[in-house]
Amino acid sequence: DTTVKQNPRYKLARVGKPVNLICSQTMNHDTMYWYQKKPNQAPKLLLFYYDKILNREADTFEKFQSSRPNNSFCSLYIGSAGLEYSAMYLCASSRFWGFNQDTQYFGPGTRLLVL
Amino acid sequence: GEKVEQHESTLSVREGDSAVINCTYTDTASSYFPWYKQEAGKGLHFVIDIRSNVDRKQSQRLIVLLDKKAKRFSLHITATQPEDSAIYFCAASPSSGQKLVFGQGTILKVYL
Repeated sequence: DTTVKQNPRYKLARVGKPVNLICSQTMNHDTMYWYQKKPNQAPKLLLFYYDKILNREADTFEKFQSSRPNNSFCSLYIGSAGLEYSAMYLCASSRFWGFNQDTQYFGPGTRLLVL
Repeated sequence: GEKVEQHESTLSVREGDSAVINCTYTDTASSYFPWYKQEAGKGLHFVIDIRSNVDRKQSQRLIVLLDKKAKRFSLHITATQPEDSAIYFCAASPSSGQKLVFGQGTILKVYL
């Protein structure tokens, strides 16, 4: 089973309010990723966890936080949502982290709309 | 950093014909190139990948070609079926780390 689950599937948030998105996988994958996808754009990596080590992309470093309380769960946290955060947020996981990239398996996504 | 360009934004093919989607990348050291399919309302679904130690890989009706000199890779879908209609994303894994850089996607429409 290569299922990655995301909750909620749809999220409506107000400008300035926090947002917390949840992802889970039961494949015992070492690495979990968060991507942002806007219409007609490529998915863009925001951050990833290898085990308990968080790696954030330089250009989104201050905008997103994440936590991984255990191997199965990973959250994406926006402290103060702005209109520009409206997008689809995709979670993915891969078996291991290393020189040879492993297949990333994606969840169905959470569609966030900020008003 | 790595940039991946997907050349066809939309592609329409007749059922039974072949579809070809082309991507180029910039990082010479990229070594892993997966393809994903996204159907309406769903997440990205892995379909096939190729690593830089080979130049061709086939899985049933899907063929991936890699030309490292040209920094180009392509997805060939043979004998297309209506259920192949979706958005296809190519990606490359750059030398800078364990991440994927995606192309912008190609909308494939298979018509009867």
